[in-house]
Amino acid sequence: GESVGLHLPTLSVQEGDNSIINCAYSNSASDYFIWYKQESGKGPQFIIDIRSNMDKRQGQRVTVLLNKTVKHLSLQIAATQPGDSAVYFCAETRPPPYFGNEKLTFGTGTRLTIIP
Amino acid sequence: ETGVTQSPTHLIKTRGQQVTLRCSSQSGHNTVSWYQQALGQGPQFIFQYYREEENGRGNFPPRFSGLQFPNYSSELNVNALELDDSALYLCASSLGGLAAVHRSYNEQFFGPGTRLTVL
Repeated sequence: GESVGLHLPTLSVQEGDNSIINCAYSNSASDYFIWYKQESGKGPQFIIDIRSNMDKRQGQRVTVLLNKTVKHLSLQIAATQPGDSAVYFCAETRPPPYFGNEKLTFGTGTRLTIIP
Repeated sequence: ETGVTQSPTHLIKTRGQQVTLRCSSQSGHNTVSWYQQALGQGPQFIFQYYREEENGRGNFPPRFSGLQFPNYSSELNVNALELDDSALYLCASSLGGLAAVHRSYNEQFFGPGTRLTVL
């Protein structure tokens, strides 16, 4: 069945350093991936997405890398700040344009702690 | 803030009881999805409502049911509560249908969740 998993449950990074959060997926048919950030007491917040026809996508201080050969994706956060402390989830869904039954399949999550 | 609100914030029930959770979607959104997030886990899809009809369901038993109203707000009902139903229940609103076809991503905006504890 579908599953999206993470390698590490926790990660501590010094403020200003770069962080890398990894995610493995098992469904080879997965074709659209999203990273979410969840702060304490809040719902998940969209960070960045990537389609399966891409290897890399960059946003503001974040980069997502996708390796379809080994079914692995990663989220790189540059120059980490205290506000980056949160739980990060990768999720898979169907790519646009598609509407209807767009369920998100989430991984377990990685807790990122930024050390001042 | 996403503009998605949920009530109540916290709720304590006993096993066998019934519970109703509420979600107000973001203005202009017509689709609401519900997720269950157990402690230390990622959210699990329960079901989605699009324009007042169920539009997909995850692996949850029939005692999990829902409604969507004409203003696109939604309710999640859980009957015969079990201890394992203790979790954070998240709703997410989005714009589905033809209006979403030309978007780069039909982003789901999450509310803060309702923390349900079943004793």
